[in-house]
Amino acid sequence: AQTVTQSQPEMSVQEAETVTLSCTYDTSENNYYLFWYKQPPSRQMILVIRQEAYKQQNATENRFSVNFQKAAKSFSLKISDSQLGDTAMYFCAFDRTLYGGATNKLIFGTGTLLAVQP
Amino acid sequence: DVKVTQSSRYLVKRTGEKVFLECVQDMDHENMFWYRQDPGLGLRLIYFSYDVKMKEKGDIPEGYSVSREKKERFSLILESASTNQTSMYLCASSPPEWKGTDTQYFGPGTRLTVL
Repeated sequence: AQTVTQSQPEMSVQEAETVTLSCTYDTSENNYYLFWYKQPPSRQMILVIRQEAYKQQNATENRFSVNFQKAAKSFSLKISDSQLGDTAMYFCAFDRTLYGGATNKLIFGTGTLLAVQP
Repeated sequence: DVKVTQSSRYLVKRTGEKVFLECVQDMDHENMFWYRQDPGLGLRLIYFSYDVKMKEKGDIPEGYSVSREKKERFSLILESASTNQTSMYLCASSPPEWKGTDTQYFGPGTRLTVL
């Protein structure tokens, strides 16, 4: 079965510091897509960053970057220069590919609640 | 920008009532999804639709049904609401393939309380 695990239910970081959120997944597929989503308090879920498994280079979006370790099936999110607006629930998600093809149906982890402290 | 809207932010219903949750997207996406979000459980897929009148069960379809008569609208139906269906319900849409920066786009959610 394909699964996603986020082992940190809550984290806290000081403003301007760096924090890393962990995510591991399990699949027997070789090519797939991984996502980090952000859900601010009482606001809509939005995409933070995505990674395609066949790409060796780690994805980066401004202050957000991933450390994608395919062999270890690990997909952590690093937030640099944390800002108060980064306070949110963060979900790791994985496209449940089938026979090598994307299904567009995502499996989500249980989330990490990140609090950025002033 | 993609916009996904849901008919209500908050809804309170009684046990046994029939409940309709509506979702509309304006990006002509083929795929639409209904999830429920519970603390400690993340998001779980209830139903998925990949075209008009086409639907597929997700991981937790029991107690729910869906309707997709038009491409832009996807409805979730609780035939007889129960207290264990108290939850946050999220709708999402996406194009059929992951191209470029494609992703699932989410609505604001409906927090349903069943008394």
